[in-house]
Amino acid sequence: DGGITQSPKYLFRKEGQNVTLSCEQNLNHDAMYWYRQDPGQGLRLIYYSQIVNDFQKGDIAEGYSVSREKKESFPLTVTSAQKNPTAFYLCASSHLQGAWETQYFGPGTRLLVL
Amino acid sequence: QKEVEQDPGPLSVPEGAIVSLNCTYSNSAFQYFMWYRQYSRKGPELLMYTYSSGNKEDGRFTAQVDKSSKYISLFIRDSQPSDSATYLCAMVTSYDKVIFGPGTSLSVIP
Repeated sequence: DGGITQSPKYLFRKEGQNVTLSCEQNLNHDAMYWYRQDPGQGLRLIYYSQIVNDFQKGDIAEGYSVSREKKESFPLTVTSAQKNPTAFYLCASSHLQGAWETQYFGPGTRLLVL
Repeated sequence: QKEVEQDPGPLSVPEGAIVSLNCTYSNSAFQYFMWYRQYSRKGPELLMYTYSSGNKEDGRFTAQVDKSSKYISLFIRDSQPSDSATYLCAMVTSYDKVIFGPGTSLSVIP
């Protein structure tokens, strides 16, 4: 059963702590994305990766970092530099970068600050 | 002015009604237009994708694009309670930048 999995479903961060959100896909997609969703705002792109070992900053990359060591995996780290991390984080993948009609989203991770 | 505007709702309709959801945009560089459905606490799923002005139909859903007015719509015929969700429009420029609208919350009442 192909799809995207994200874990955990809920994540709590203490002040000054780095946390990592997991994203795995078995769709054999080359491109992967991380978005942030806040109430009343559209999804905003944090980072994207067109291919393994390559990634690019999106519109709101400050305070975040990513890696793409495997085609299936694209973890996102929310660092202590991100001062307002509370949001719903969505991972997505597509066959190729820009093949928007093939883009699938994961179920999301809700990050809360303690 | 935001690049993509969408009435947040909530929009409440009786079962069987025709629903009209709309987005306006200001950037004439947008080339591709998409509609997503997002159930509460879930990821969005792509409903419709189009790149030309005019109508595109898929079952009970019709996407309409009017590039001259910078206006797109999603129509849902014979709405069902299972259509209750937030609907996001998204637009892509020719250089592959995608902008999402904030979403319209829809409730279909049995």
